[in-house]
Amino acid sequence: DQQVKQNSPSLSVQEGRISILNCDYTNSMFDYFLWYKKYPAEGPTFLISISSIKDKNEDGRFTVFLNKSAKHLSLHIVPSQPGDSAVYFCAASIGEGSQGNLIFGKGTKLSVKP
Amino acid sequence: GAVVSQHPSRVICKSGTSVKIECRSLDFQATTMFWYRQFPKQSLMLMATSNEGSKATYEQGVEKDKFLINHASLTLSTLTVTSAHPEDSSFYICSAREFDTLGEKLFFGSGTQLSVL
Repeated sequence: DQQVKQNSPSLSVQEGRISILNCDYTNSMFDYFLWYKKYPAEGPTFLISISSIKDKNEDGRFTVFLNKSAKHLSLHIVPSQPGDSAVYFCAASIGEGSQGNLIFGKGTKLSVKP
Repeated sequence: GAVVSQHPSRVICKSGTSVKIECRSLDFQATTMFWYRQFPKQSLMLMATSNEGSKATYEQGVEKDKFLINHASLTLSTLTVTSAHPEDSSFYICSAREFDTLGEKLFFGSGTQLSVL
């Protein structure tokens, strides 16, 4: 049973528009959420995170929204750029200091077209 | 940022042979490293936690005698897939944990695609 779900395997967006990547989770004990970006032939790199005490965290073009009641989070990229084309993984953990126990989603492949 | 090097990036081996994958933290010391496995169209799944100087901790369902982990130094952890079989074909990736003033961060290697014939 998957505890972290990314139901869209792929997403295509025009350059300059908003990209919205969604993630759902089932374990109500999760209290720390992260997004990782992965380019081909490279390992995932940390993008942005959010603690369950917040409902929004912003870093430049990237904003993560958390809806605890719906057990849903989303990553917004505005404006999208071709260099954002990558696979995005949503991950969750119990406790911010327990990233070793991250539970990952399957990933969503984002393609930003010029 | 911190760099984690993982080698090899791709390996093809015959069934029954053993394969060793190395994970190195290049500019920081990592007392803890993690090994993951990702099958096609599946999530990255944690296999084991590698602790420097002590035995690795394996996740449920992961055979410790098949996936040997050695973390002999603060910058190197190795995963050996012993007597590999076609069902072990997967993408293996490591990460290393670093603590700084901002807290805990994970840095990932680039992964190893293992194909067992």
